[in-house]
Amino acid sequence: AQKVTQAQTEISVVEKEDVTLDCVYETRDTTYYLFWYKQPPSGELVFLIRRNSFDEQNEISGRYSWNFQKSTSSFNFTITASQVVDSAVYFCALSEAKRSNYQLIWGAGTKLIIKP
Amino acid sequence: GAVVSQHPSRVICKSGTSVKIECRSLDFQATTMFWYRQFPKQSLMLMATSNEGSKATYEQGVEKDKFLINHASLTLSTLTVTSAHPEDSSFYICSARDRAWISYEQYFGPGTRLTVT
Repeated sequence: AQKVTQAQTEISVVEKEDVTLDCVYETRDTTYYLFWYKQPPSGELVFLIRRNSFDEQNEISGRYSWNFQKSTSSFNFTITASQVVDSAVYFCALSEAKRSNYQLIWGAGTKLIIKP
Repeated sequence: GAVVSQHPSRVICKSGTSVKIECRSLDFQATTMFWYRQFPKQSLMLMATSNEGSKATYEQGVEKDKFLINHASLTLSTLTVTSAHPEDSSFYICSARDRAWISYEQYFGPGTRLTVT
């Protein structure tokens, strides 16, 4: 069955520390897409990244980086030198090509607290 | 590009009344729109999927008569919460797929916070 697991319910670190948010997914589809979204206290979802199943290259965008490993079905997200503004809930999501309308399957989310 | 708006952003209504939430794709045509509900400290829960010009497909456990969805045009979908009760208080988020672009992309609205008193 399709599933996205974010085992870390809440993470709290001090500013400038590096932090990694874990995401493990399950799918039988060979073509799928993985996403990370940020949801700040305002509630509006902010798209961070999309990865398709054929592209295992890691990606770096400023202080953000993503590690996609099909062998372990993981798509982890690392924030380097965290800042208070990074405090938010982060969701990992999966979309399968065979799934009607490419519906998103959501993880439970990880609340990240960055302390000054 | 790819902006989705929702109106209102916040609404407070009395128990028993109906509330309509609008979701608009501002700069693209949306073949499919999704409605989500999010309770505090929880993930997004898909309520229904609507395709322009056809009836919405509701997820299991979502009351069709309570949450009326209309997708009358390629840029507008509405969610009407009928006879609202305090337990309907939640954060409602819509998203839309662009008919002209990559099919797996969903663009999210800013959400509507509904409080039923």
